[in-house]
Amino acid sequence: RKEVEQDPGPFNVPEGATVAFNCTYSNSASQSFFWYRQDCRKEPKLLMSVYSSGNEDGRFTAQLNRASQYISLLIRDSKLSDSATYLCAVNRGGGATNKLIFGTGTLLAVQP
Amino acid sequence: DGGITQSPKYLFRKEGQNVTLSCEQNLNHDAMYWYRQDPGQGLRLIYYSQIVNDFQKGDIAEGYSVSREKKESFPLTVTSAQKNPTAFYLCAAGGGFLDDEQFFGPGTRLTVL
Repeated sequence: RKEVEQDPGPFNVPEGATVAFNCTYSNSASQSFFWYRQDCRKEPKLLMSVYSSGNEDGRFTAQLNRASQYISLLIRDSKLSDSATYLCAVNRGGGATNKLIFGTGTLLAVQP
Repeated sequence: DGGITQSPKYLFRKEGQNVTLSCEQNLNHDAMYWYRQDPGQGLRLIYYSQIVNDFQKGDIAEGYSVSREKKESFPLTVTSAQKNPTAFYLCAAGGGFLDDEQFFGPGTRLTVL
């Protein structure tokens, strides 16, 4: 089993739709979680950290489910500009350093 | 203009040559990281450094070397010992501790001919 797994997609959704991605992780000791957005041939850009209580930033909501070991990202009212690959990142757990493991990403294509 | 800079953006080298990729940051972050991204794969950690003059191997360090002589700089050398060097190389910087985010530079796309 991979340490961090994501559905590669693509997720093809119409503008205005709500779409959700999940990311599962295998190490129960992991303590920090992040969502990044990566446009084609560009660097990943931090979208949001994921906190235990869940957090929201505009149309984006991230949640953590420790019991089932997954994080989720919900995008409401999808825009064409949301089309990108969404990467989850999970720290390895143990120790004080923040070594992240990245998923392979989920491709989102928002259609007009 | 602040942030993390990487140069060059594109790099072509002949097989068997060593090449050094530059990464500079002016964000005053303690930790710096090098990742490699291949098509269809997630980012894989090559090396990381928590403080100046100290660095640790990541998951795929073979064929690579780094130095951290200054807080702002973390160059990566891709040596001829690296079997498949063609990839997208990303440098990141962050606080280094749990919960600290990592921020990425624009990347260097290396092609070995």
